[in-house]
Amino acid sequence: DIQMTQSPSSVSASVGDRVTITCRASQGISSWLAWYQQKPGKAPKLLIYAASSLQSGVPSRFSGSGSGTDFTLTISSLQPEDFATYYCQQANSFPQFGQGTRLEIK
Amino acid sequence: EVQLVESGGVVVQPGGSLRLSCAASGFTFDDYAMHWVRQAPGKGLEWVSLISWDGGSTYYADSVKGRFTISRDNSKNSLYLQMNSLRAEDTALYYCAKDKVEMATITYFDYWGQGTLVTVSS
Repeated sequence: DIQMTQSPSSVSASVGDRVTITCRASQGISSWLAWYQQKPGKAPKLLIYAASSLQSGVPSRFSGSGSGTDFTLTISSLQPEDFATYYCQQANSFPQFGQGTRLEIK
Repeated sequence: EVQLVESGGVVVQPGGSLRLSCAASGFTFDDYAMHWVRQAPGKGLEWVSLISWDGGSTYYADSVKGRFTISRDNSKNSLYLQMNSLRAEDTALYYCAKDKVEMATITYFDYWGQGTLVTVSS
């Protein structure tokens, strides 16, 4: 099984900050990676797929990069609605999610 | 508008059985693989099972293999999860999710339902 490890597990930031979350796969997954945002009491929302493709309707301040084993999600300028938990997911084989990164207000 | 509406979650005793349903609308249901993903209280996301667009292929996480069965009825735009031999560790919010790519097996989850809560407790 492919294991997905996110870092950090939690991060505190302020509105307007640039934030980067990383996700590492235990083996190469090419670009088969997605990022999701989940707010309390809500279903996850697809933000990025194929490592760097922005899902329709997602603000352009979200971007993704990477291939192989190392990936990043960057939020260029944090907005109040961005405080949430973020998950990566590999789609190279049976889906596996990272453990999540909680983005909190500083 | 794509909608996925889960139902069937209840409190059930360990060893019991339950069938979850997911009613889909707003897209051509039989063109897409469908998945069940669960989230234990306060925990992360865990993929549970998937069924191909035509129902011909099914896959399961090791944690549920042999106990859960996924199925679909394309004539009713519905997805199901039969859950047997339930354990306390199966307690979770169960989401149905649509695969993003038409006629693919595993890609990404572009639409999710609101979830249905399964609690396994005596």
